[in-house]
Amino acid sequence: AQTVTQSQPEMSVQEAETVTLSCTYDTSESDYYLFWYKQPPSRQMILVIRQEAYKQQNATENRFSVNFQKAAKSFSLKISDSQLGDAAMYFCAYRSDKETSGSRLTFGEGTQLTVNP
Amino acid sequence: DAGVTQSPTHLIKTRGQQVTLRCSPISGHKSVSWYQQVLGQGPQFIFQYYEKEERGRGNFPDRFSARQFPNYSSELNVNALLLGDSALYLCASSLVRGGGKNIQYFGAGTRLSVL
Repeated sequence: AQTVTQSQPEMSVQEAETVTLSCTYDTSESDYYLFWYKQPPSRQMILVIRQEAYKQQNATENRFSVNFQKAAKSFSLKISDSQLGDAAMYFCAYRSDKETSGSRLTFGEGTQLTVNP
Repeated sequence: DAGVTQSPTHLIKTRGQQVTLRCSPISGHKSVSWYQQVLGQGPQFIFQYYEKEERGRGNFPDRFSARQFPNYSSELNVNALLLGDSALYLCASSLVRGGGKNIQYFGAGTRLSVL
C-alpha cells in the first residue's frame, strides 16, 4: 500500500516571502500522479497543482511550483510571493495509475500554513 | 456552473442511529468518490462509484455503504453510528474513472457529529 508523509504539521511565512512544504511518499509503482490540495477554513479541497510521475519537468501554476524527485520519492511545494489568501491546510496526495485504483487518493496528514502580514 | 454540492452541511446524530449523506457531482461527471476526514487528519478513501457501480472500497466496515443513481448523484449511508464516525465527509467527482484525465473536484463536505 502507498503512504504519504508530510513531516511539517505547521509552517509560517511572511507575506511576499517564499515557503516550501515537504512531502515524501512510498510506492512500488512506476506510474502514478501526485497532487497538492489546499483546504481553507471553508473546508472545500481545492486542487493547487498536479504532477505526472512520467514527466521529468516540474509542474508550475503561477506562484506555485513543485520539486519532484522520483528516485527520492519526494514532492515538495514551493509558494512564491505568499499572499494572505494562501493561508490554509495543505495536503499532499498520491494516486496510482492502475485502472483498478480508479480515483482513489491517498493523502498525507497535512501542513497548516500561516501567512503573517 | 455548479460545483460538487453536498447536503446537509452539518448533522448531529446519537450513537446507534443511521445517517444518509448526499452528493451531487459536477454536471457531466460520472464518477463520485467519498472520503472521511477526522479532525486533524488527512482524508481517508471510503468508496468510488463510476457509472452506478462500486469501483473501489477503502478499509471501512460494512456499516458504511453507498450507491449512485442514474443521474450520477450519490448517497453515503452509515449504520449503527459510533462516536468515532464523527468527521467531515467529503464527496469528490471526476469526469472519468481513473487515468491521466482524472481530476477530482471536491464539495465542501458534511460535518457529522455523533453524540
